[in-house]
Amino acid sequence: AQKVTQAQTEISVVEKEDVTLDCVYETRDTTYYLFWYKQPPSGELVFLIRRNSFDEQNEISGRYSWNFQKSTSSFNFTITASQVVDSAVYFCALSEAAGGSYIPTFGRGTSLIVHP
Amino acid sequence: EAQVTQNPRYLITVTGKKLTVTCSQNMNHEYMSWYRQDPGLGLRQIYYSMNVEVTDKGDVPEGYKVSRKEKRNFPLILESPSPNQTSLYFCASRLAGPDYEQYFGPGTRLTVT
Repeated sequence: AQKVTQAQTEISVVEKEDVTLDCVYETRDTTYYLFWYKQPPSGELVFLIRRNSFDEQNEISGRYSWNFQKSTSSFNFTITASQVVDSAVYFCALSEAAGGSYIPTFGRGTSLIVHP
Repeated sequence: EAQVTQNPRYLITVTGKKLTVTCSQNMNHEYMSWYRQDPGLGLRQIYYSMNVEVTDKGDVPEGYKVSRKEKRNFPLILESPSPNQTSLYFCASRLAGPDYEQYFGPGTRLTVT
């Protein structure tokens, strides 16, 4: 069974600090997909990134970067030089390719608070 | 504009009074699902549908019903709401396949007294 653990319930930083949100997953499937979503205080859920299990290249998008390591079953998300607008709940999710229903499993989320 | 819409956005009701939360998507997505979000518990899937007339239970289906008579609509029905169903509900849709991201509706905050 698939499982996603976001051990950090809440992280508080001051603006311009770098912050890493951890995501550890469990799966028996060899083909799977990992996602990050952002939920700002306004409440909507926004897709940030997708990674498949065969692509371990790190991804950078502006101040955001993602580190996918199959050896440690982790897909961590780093925000460089954090800003107040980064304050949100961030969810990591996993979808397995096997089974056919592709039901995604979400972690419990990490609440990031960036203080000015 | 590609979107998932939910109605109502806010609802306060009393125990036992049947209610329906509507969900509609305009992206021709095959896959639709309902989640509830509770503090400390993250997003938990209630029901999902892989296509018209194909629905299945998620992790927390008790007390809920769904139907998928048309591809674009996926209503969530609470036949006899109870206070433990007070929550924030999200509808989501995506294309078929595990590699597609989900598009979420704006959420429905339900309070059952």
